[in-house]
Amino acid sequence: AQSVTQLDSHVSVSEGTPVLLRCNYSSSYSPSLFWYVQHPNKGLQLLLKYTSAATLVKGINGFEAEFKKSETSFHLTKPSAHMSDAAEYFCVVSDLGSYIPTFGRGTSLIVHP
Amino acid sequence: NAGVTQTPKFQVLKTGQSMTLQCAQDMNHNSMYWYRQDPGMGLRLIYYSASEGTTDKGEVPNGYNVSRLNKREFSLRLESAAPSQTSVYFCASIGHSRLMIETQYFGPGTRLLVL
Repeated sequence: AQSVTQLDSHVSVSEGTPVLLRCNYSSSYSPSLFWYVQHPNKGLQLLLKYTSAATLVKGINGFEAEFKKSETSFHLTKPSAHMSDAAEYFCVVSDLGSYIPTFGRGTSLIVHP
Repeated sequence: NAGVTQTPKFQVLKTGQSMTLQCAQDMNHNSMYWYRQDPGMGLRLIYYSASEGTTDKGEVPNGYNVSRLNKREFSLRLESAAPSQTSVYFCASIGHSRLMIETQYFGPGTRLLVL
């Protein structure tokens, strides 16, 4: 069985400071993990994905995430927040052979000027 | 490539009315999904279709029906709309293979208000 927990419902940062959005997962097999971003009144867009290649994954807009099997974590980071990063972020886990990805509840990123 | 398209973008219904939300993908994906998104609830799966000709219930199927018309199209029907079905509805698709898990692509959403 697969599950995912996003540890923060809201994260607030100042523009130019680092961003950390936390995600823990549970999976029976070797999972694939995804981060999606949803800007207000928009659909979901893929930021990055891990599929058992390199454990440090680089995505769009300067985001990256590190797969840590020992900690069952897949945290999303960015060195310097921009106002345009304000959005909802979803962590998703999917086991090979599963037709149903499991979504976290989402983390709302707020960026202050 | 248009990706995943949804119609309509917005809809207002009265309680008891029916409507069908349309979804189409042009990526030759096998699997298609309908989700609803409500504040603080994340995305909840209503129905999915693992392949053409099959459909299965997700987490919140009550009050909805679906049709996988062909490989491209997957529609969601509300037979008798209720205010609790006010939500944003997203269609998505994935192209599965045995070797890897593919990315899920989403449509732009349909905002539905039931009065």
